[in-house]
Amino acid sequence: GENVEQHPSTLSVQEGDSAVIKCTYSDSASNYFPWYKQELGKRPQLIIDIRSNVGEKKDQRIAVTLNKTAKHFSLHITETQPEDSAVYFCAASKEGFQKLVFGTGTRLLVSP
Amino acid sequence: NAGVTQTPKFRILKIGQSMTLQCTQDMNHNYMYWYRQDPGMGLKLIYYSVGAGITDKGEVPNGYNVSRSTTEDFPLRLELAAPSQTSVYFCASRKSGLNQPQHFGDGTRLSIL
Repeated sequence: GENVEQHPSTLSVQEGDSAVIKCTYSDSASNYFPWYKQELGKRPQLIIDIRSNVGEKKDQRIAVTLNKTAKHFSLHITETQPEDSAVYFCAASKEGFQKLVFGTGTRLLVSP
Repeated sequence: NAGVTQTPKFRILKIGQSMTLQCTQDMNHNYMYWYRQDPGMGLKLIYYSVGAGITDKGEVPNGYNVSRSTTEDFPLRLELAAPSQTSVYFCASRKSGLNQPQHFGDGTRLSIL
């Protein structure tokens, strides 16, 4: 079955810096890749997702890139702010497969 | 439109007790999921359902049961609570169709002592 690996497990940056979180997946048939943000004590919330028919998607300071050949996708956050501090999870799924497979999470800390 | 609602928010159980975690959604989503999240860890799928009357096991189903008699509700039952089931439980739902995102409830924090 699908396996999703996520790196790094923790990431500390200064406010205003960029942050990059990387995920690799094992099943070449996977075609949907969402990213969730989970603040302390809160629910995971979808922040951006990408489908395999595109290589990049942007939403203000957040972007996701997908390399289908290498089977990896990345979350890029520019101009980080303290409120970006949270745990970020990547996930993967494929057509006809009802489940998401989640990565293990990255704890991002943005220091003022 | 409340989204996904979970009750209770917090609960303490004694070893061997039983309880049902409630999950309801008002978005008419066919797909529903139960996850557990241990401290500092990721999300592990317990059970899921693709529609009323249909349920299937996820990654960690042992010690749990589910039912799906309506589209809206997907309760999770713990029959004989064990300390290893201390966790935060999240319910999620999504629309049918290709590549639809999952929407999560606020979670139930469960401690078994």
